[in-house]
Amino acid sequence: EAGVAQSPRYKIIEKRQSVAFWCNPISGHATLYWYQQILGQGPKLLIQFQNNGVVDDSQLPKDRFSAERLKGVDSTLKIQPAKLEDSAVYLCASSLLWRKGHSDTQYFGPGTRLTVL
Amino acid sequence: SQKIEQNSEALNIQEGKTATLTCNYTNYSPAYLQWYRQDPGRGPVFLLLIRENEKEKRKERLKVTFDTTLKQSLFHITASQPADSATYLCALDILFSGGYNKLIFGAGTRLAVHP
Repeated sequence: EAGVAQSPRYKIIEKRQSVAFWCNPISGHATLYWYQQILGQGPKLLIQFQNNGVVDDSQLPKDRFSAERLKGVDSTLKIQPAKLEDSAVYLCASSLLWRKGHSDTQYFGPGTRLTVL
Repeated sequence: SQKIEQNSEALNIQEGKTATLTCNYTNYSPAYLQWYRQDPGRGPVFLLLIRENEKEKRKERLKVTFDTTLKQSLFHITASQPADSATYLCALDILFSGGYNKLIFGAGTRLAVHP
């Protein structure tokens, strides 16, 4: 079974530029997550999709970050404009099911390392 | 305030010994707790999940305990090997309004197993 795919793996941009990340989850997984992991910290959830609907985006800086999951499969995360503090690894994860009140294993992609200069 | 604390310093142990990693939390009431392993340049990989009504869970050389009174989980690797060297992340699985769960991760503990 193929894992979660992400691209690009690395991106270097200047502040105020825009950037987009792409994620292809494991086939058949209903739930997709985007996390931000700053060096030395654990992953922080930015947004969670259930199929193509947003379940939680409470920690997404909506003035500059946006995400979509068209047709409930692939997803893109965009930052516009980028700030220095956005330098981090952006991880995509997926899980098979979402049942109310139940926990599920999350499968992570390799991440995109973003450097903002 | 809500906090998750893992050993901030790296844990160095000798091959063959048991590694014990700690995860403490405050002001959360997780229904589940998960442990993940993360290698440099890679995404986290799921290891174990334990429910709030379970005291202990085992998988091969791994053992997790969960004490909701102490608000603590311990993660043990027995007969450790250099290949176990990685960062280990504790994640609280929190039930939020709307009925969905989300993971709140600790900063992780770096484990180094020396031959």
